Amino acid sequence: DVKVTQSSRYLVKRTGEKVFLECVQDMDHENMFWYRQDPGLGLRLIYFSYDVKMKEKGDIPEGYSVSREKKERFSLILESASTNQTSMYLCASSSPGGRSHDEQFFGPGTRLTVL
Amino acid sequence: AQSVAQPEDQVNVAEGNPLTVKCTYSVSGNPYLFWYVQYPNRGLQFLLKYITGDNLVKGSYGFEAEFNKSQTSFHLKKPSALVSDSALYFCAVAPNDYKLSFGAGTTVTVRA
Repeated sequence: DVKVTQSSRYLVKRTGEKVFLECVQDMDHENMFWYRQDPGLGLRLIYFSYDVKMKEKGDIPEGYSVSREKKERFSLILESASTNQTSMYLCASSSPGGRSHDEQFFGPGTRLTVL
Repeated sequence: AQSVAQPEDQVNVAEGNPLTVKCTYSVSGNPYLFWYVQYPNRGLQFLLKYITGDNLVKGSYGFEAEFNKSQTSFHLKKPSALVSDSALYFCAVAPNDYKLSFGAGTTVTVRA
């Protein structure tokens, strides 16, 4: 089975801190994604990556950056955390080839609270 | 631009009754359509997808979905709901690239 793991289930940070969220997948997937999930808004794509060192902005990239130095690892960075970034963050990966009809596999999520 | 609408925030059904979760989409070209489920305190799990072919798609846990091109809908169905089906359900659409657009989600509660 595909396994996508995220470094923390719960995280509490203060406004202005730099925050790193880590995601690792073990199935050699080329595509990796970061979403945030908010009640009533569903999942919104922040960034995605289709190869090592490649990244593209999603629908809400402002205030975030990403890093993909290795194929299995995709990091989301909040350069200066703000209270409106309090949310559930979900990482996902999809199978090689990048075909849009391949389902995405999700990690358990990180609930981030910014005080 | 693609979009997905889930018109119901909540669906409540009795155990053993049919369950339907509605989804409509707007996308240019041929859509790829998905349903995902999120159980409490767990990540999203893939249920089923429509790519092409038969309009009735069967998925995990006894769920199925019907693609209706004329009505631009992809409703999720289960003939007999279980209490364990209580969860948050998301419809998603992918046009021609990697990116999925998700609906806002529908909370399903199945009462015993």
